[in-house]
Amino acid sequence: GAGVSQSPRYKVAKRGQDVALRCDPISGHVSLFWYQQALGQGPEFLTYFQNEAQLDKSGLPSDRFFAERPEGSVSTLKIQRTQQEDSAVYLCASSIEREQFFGPGTRLTVL
Amino acid sequence: GDSVTQMEGPVTLSEEAFLTINCTYTATGYPSLFWYVQYPGEGLQLLLKATKADDKGSNKGFEATYRKETTSFHLEKGSVQVSDSAVYFCALSGVQFYFGTGTSLTVIP
Repeated sequence: GAGVSQSPRYKVAKRGQDVALRCDPISGHVSLFWYQQALGQGPEFLTYFQNEAQLDKSGLPSDRFFAERPEGSVSTLKIQRTQQEDSAVYLCASSIEREQFFGPGTRLTVL
Repeated sequence: GDSVTQMEGPVTLSEEAFLTINCTYTATGYPSLFWYVQYPGEGLQLLLKATKADDKGSNKGFEATYRKETTSFHLEKGSVQVSDSAVYFCALSGVQFYFGTGTSLTVIP
């Protein structure tokens, strides 16, 4: 398939654990976005890459959140010392010509 | 800053009823506007888009017109089906991508 893929689809973590969420964008898409979607809410912007450069990380809620895209393709969102308020669906999107294509998301539950 | 305000739900309609979901926006510059749909357990899918004022986006019987004078992009469908039950998000592409809070639609037979 040529769509955006994310893994894992579901992640349960104990409070204080570190987690890593992976995003495989559509091949050739330069731009990649991460969003956090709380239950019953719209996606909230976290961070944005153009190729390997992280151009905007203003949406990251704390310094426990870190994202990288070292080769300009696959991206990883890492959350350190997870807290219950981090429970949400994390969406990745790759973009071309202002249109965003979303992956299925990773549902993170922090116990 | 840029933002999207979307009609709150949930909305429940009978099959073949007319649907309107209101969306207004605030933006500097000339954003593109989008409607995304999220079916239960799935990711967001682009439903339709409009890139400039007076453009009409359409797909699967849904339509929305980019109205600069009223800063609106209302979603409409003349006759909804049970399969249209989903959450609908209005969004704009400016400096970043901004989403509304979503409107849940349930269509009953």
